[in-house]
Amino acid sequence: NAGVTQTPKFQVLKTGQSMTLQCAQDMNHNSMYWYRQDPGMGLRLIYYSASEGTTDKGEVPNGYNVSRLNKREFSLRLESAAPSQTSVYFCASRTDRTAYEQYFGPGTRLTVT
Amino acid sequence: GQSLEQPSEVTAVEGAIVQINCTYQTSGFYGLSWYQQHDGGAPTFLSYNALDGLEETGRFSSFLSRSDSYGYLLLQELQMKDSASYFCAVGGTDSWGKFQFGAGTQVVVTP
Repeated sequence: NAGVTQTPKFQVLKTGQSMTLQCAQDMNHNSMYWYRQDPGMGLRLIYYSASEGTTDKGEVPNGYNVSRLNKREFSLRLESAAPSQTSVYFCASRTDRTAYEQYFGPGTRLTVT
Repeated sequence: GQSLEQPSEVTAVEGAIVQINCTYQTSGFYGLSWYQQHDGGAPTFLSYNALDGLEETGRFSSFLSRSDSYGYLLLQELQMKDSASYFCAVGGTDSWGKFQFGAGTQVVVTP
């Protein structure tokens, strides 16, 4: 049982490049999340998916797109990366059984130059 | 607007007790959670309060007062491994499944 996995762990992009961050969970959770964390700050919600085929914007969705490919996978895409998107990105999932506990992946450390 | 306020840093010695306060102002609320994050690591769940009162989980306890929009996390018998950032998070903001996190409190435990 791997929990929540994210790839890649580290990435450096040039301004204007695109990339997709991958996230998968093997806990059969319906809800999945993408957050970003900047130095000295808390987690800010980018997008949320309550179930396969549904997504909803969070606090900071601009510049990002998401895809809930199936129940296991939730990807985050940066179409044209900007230096302001330099951050650590965390994916999380949540069981419906306990509505409050989120399980986080190890994070992707992204630098945009 | 929506906000969660918590102190930025707390320092204490091993064996001491630390209380991290969290006040919130959000459009929706169904519970207050607490997470721990060590440097470079993923946040891990510690505790949750949906109703007023104290919840105890080993050395950690969490308290909620919904009428005051206030909660706290109590860390007892501090150990060096408790040096980490601690985040409060409100569930149910905007819609049922969404969460909003505070900026975090850095706890520094000294010998």
